[in-house]
Amino acid sequence: DAKTTQPPSMDCAEGRAANLPCNHSTISGNEYVYWYRQIHSQGPQYIIHGLKNNETNEMASLIITEDRKSSTLILPHATLRDTAVYYCIVRTGNKLVFGAGTILRVKS
Amino acid sequence: DADVTQTPRNRITKTGKRIMLECSQTKGHDRMYWYRQDPGLGLRLIYYSFDVKDINKGEISDGYSVSRQAQAKFSLSLESAIPNQTALYFCATSDQVGSKDLTFGAGSRLTVL
Repeated sequence: DAKTTQPPSMDCAEGRAANLPCNHSTISGNEYVYWYRQIHSQGPQYIIHGLKNNETNEMASLIITEDRKSSTLILPHATLRDTAVYYCIVRTGNKLVFGAGTILRVKS
Repeated sequence: DADVTQTPRNRITKTGKRIMLECSQTKGHDRMYWYRQDPGLGLRLIYYSFDVKDINKGEISDGYSVSRQAQAKFSLSLESAIPNQTALYFCATSDQVGSKDLTFGAGSRLTVL
């Protein structure tokens, strides 16, 4: 099963871009990268996912390296409400396996 | 109303008691999941079900059982609760493999004394 590695925590200034890295060096060719976030103890919320092309939606952008061994989630203009735990997940078969994630603290 | 509803939201019980956590969804999704979260850790998959007749074990199924009573309902049982099952439990749904998202409930906080 592909595993992901994320830094345990990051800080970001309000209004600046938050760039959250993720390593997934053992990813297989048909495995998607998903990002979720969890605010306090609420249920995780889907952000974005991708296979090999970069993706953008109203919440964020996902940049996947050409070799697919790493990716970066970009929140273009972080706000205080973006403070959360961000999970980078490689979909394994029929289920999503969550790691410990990155705690992002957005500071004013 | 929430798409995925979990009951109870909070429960305190004693060792050895039987506990059931219930999950219902209005998304019309076929797939339902139970996850457990311990403080400072990510979510771990307990059981999942792809339709009413399908039940699969996840990473940490020991000590738990599930029942898929209908497409919209998926319950998690602890036959004899123990303190290390104290955790935050999440139910989630999705419509298919490769579907973009899991929809999570608000969580059920269980404390076993």
